[in-house]
Amino acid sequence: NAGVTQTPKFQVLKTGQSMTLQCAQDMNHEYMSWYRQDPGMGLRLIHYSVGAGITDQGEVPNGYNVSRSTTEDFPLRLLSAAPSQTSVYFCATGLAGAYEQYFGPGTRLTVT
Amino acid sequence: KQEVTQIPAALSVPEGENLVLNCSFTDSAIYNLQWFRQDPGKGLTSLLLIQSSQREQTSGRLNASLDKSSGRSTLYIAASQPGDSATYLCAVKPGTASKLTFGTGTRLQVTL
Repeated sequence: NAGVTQTPKFQVLKTGQSMTLQCAQDMNHEYMSWYRQDPGMGLRLIHYSVGAGITDQGEVPNGYNVSRSTTEDFPLRLLSAAPSQTSVYFCATGLAGAYEQYFGPGTRLTVT
Repeated sequence: KQEVTQIPAALSVPEGENLVLNCSFTDSAIYNLQWFRQDPGKGLTSLLLIQSSQREQTSGRLNASLDKSSGRSTLYIAASQPGDSATYLCAVKPGTASKLTFGTGTRLQVTL
């Protein structure tokens, strides 16, 4: 039981490049989400999903794309990386409803 | 819009002291509140989850309380140890959606 896994752990991109951050879970949780963490700003929600085939925008969705084709995976795509997207990205999962959420180890992204 | 504030932003205490971390939120219509611990460069570890109908939760040396009507939660750490040094984050779940709104955290250092 791996819980929530994220790959890669670290990534450096040049401005304009695209990439996909991977998130996978083996807990059969319906809910998955992506947050970014920036100094002094706390964690902010980017996109979330309440089940396969269903996604919605969070607080800071611009520049990011998501899809949810399976329960287990929820990839986050950066379409054209910008220095403002330099951040630490966390994936979280949980059961729908008033249950606790579990976070992955994070991906540290630098855009130059 | 829900806003979550954590005071103080940083705290340094000698080993063995009892301490209290504070979390306040502006909208009392929450489903639950979750306290997390984050070690430098690592992901978030869930410490305690308090449902909106509960007043407190305990786990070992940790006790979290919730006063929904006043928009406040406290995390009490008894007999602090150097291993407790980390950033502590609180997050509220507003309403039926699973998305969390985070505070910016309290960075705790426990010295020998």
